[in-house]
Amino acid sequence: TQLLEQSPQFLSIQEGENLTVYCNSSSVFSSLQWYRQEPGEGPVLLVTVVTGGEVKKLKRLTFQFGDARKDSSLHITAAQPGDTGLYLCAEAYGNKLVFGAGTILRVKS
Amino acid sequence: DTEVTQTPKHLVMGMTNKKSLKCEQHMGHRAMYWYKQKAKKPPELMFVYSYEKLSINESVPSRFSPECPNSSLLNLHLHALQPEDSALYLCASSQTSGANEQFFGPGTRLTVL
Repeated sequence: TQLLEQSPQFLSIQEGENLTVYCNSSSVFSSLQWYRQEPGEGPVLLVTVVTGGEVKKLKRLTFQFGDARKDSSLHITAAQPGDTGLYLCAEAYGNKLVFGAGTILRVKS
Repeated sequence: DTEVTQTPKHLVMGMTNKKSLKCEQHMGHRAMYWYKQKAKKPPELMFVYSYEKLSINESVPSRFSPECPNSSLLNLHLHALQPEDSALYLCASSQTSGANEQFFGPGTRLTVL
């Protein structure tokens, strides 16, 4: 099982600011998923990236998959308090879903 | 119905109690999962059921006993837990155990006194 490294661990920003969180591995990802978990809830899948160089957009969220499929980023434009939560990258590994340590995002109004 | 439901939402139990957590999905998914999540940490896989059979046990202590009565239901029986077992217990399901997308329930917040 490969190790997924996420950075930063914590991020506290003002409403309206932009931010980027990262997910990296020393090995090639078969595919990568991004989840958001709001306080008191379970994780919710945001996107799955599969192809190297892929870019996917979900409203104010932009997901990129590195050309070599060893890294991915999530960029949020004009963050809102509703974006607050734990952002997790994950790779499906056999029957398992292996998560990164997560980035805790707090957006202050 | 694209929802995974879990009951109860909160549970407080003593170390000598026996309790059960319940999970239900009606999406026709054939794989179901139990995860344990500590505060500000990622979910940790505990068990995987595939077609109602236990396929993965991540070396979980025997005081946690999973059960899959049918393809829609997943239980986690708890007995003689320790305070360090206090956590959010998440259930998830996916179409099959090799499928990428997992749908998570809201979790049961467990406190062991």
